[in-house]
Amino acid sequence: GAVVSQHPSRVICKSGTSVKIECRSLDFQATTMFWYRQFPKQSLMLMATSNEGSKATYEQGVEKDKFLINHASLTLSTLTVTSAHPEDSSFYICSARDRSVMPMNSNQPQHFGDGTRLSIL
Amino acid sequence: QKEVEQNSGPLSVPEGAIASLNCTYSDRGSQSFFWYRQYSGKSPELIMSIYSNGDKEDGRFTAQLNKASQYVSLLIRDSQPSDSATYLCAVNRAGGSYIPTFGRGTSLIVHP
Repeated sequence: GAVVSQHPSRVICKSGTSVKIECRSLDFQATTMFWYRQFPKQSLMLMATSNEGSKATYEQGVEKDKFLINHASLTLSTLTVTSAHPEDSSFYICSARDRSVMPMNSNQPQHFGDGTRLSIL
Repeated sequence: QKEVEQNSGPLSVPEGAIASLNCTYSDRGSQSFFWYRQYSGKSPELIMSIYSNGDKEDGRFTAQLNKASQYVSLLIRDSQPSDSATYLCAVNRAGGSYIPTFGRGTSLIVHP
């Protein structure tokens, strides 16, 4: 159980292109999903918290207009990297928590997608 | 700045030995602690979670937590080459939040 599907797994595109990454919880509902970015040999850095039906909460230093997040349903969140440039090349990972596991507290671990390797030429 | 510190390694141990991975955190109010394993090019997978002081064992893995010292560790007994990966320590932010802060990770190499 608790499977998170992330698509695509790899993207290679030209500078200036916008790229959309999807994150789906397959067998549970997630009111909250998280988007991370990881550069080589670095830690996972939280970019934003995606909330179903409301605006995402971005971490300090993350550009809201560049990294557009939409959480349209309880099982789907999307991250769009707009006008991507080579410095946006990274490993992007989403995660989710099962809203049915109560109480909804800090003891729950997160379930991660397989990640998306983004390479901007 | 709430931080989670890990030695980046690599930590190299022979097959069959005990691997000891350590993590310190700065947010004294943190209540939830997790160890994830991440293979190269893959996303993290949960190994252990621990919330109370002391030891928690699951198979070959033992997590140890000392909140007074703000220290959490992971022991891997009978290490196998397949255990070679980066191990990430994650600490949930204090105040009832469920947003974790990740350490940089420790690279473990188990050689035959």
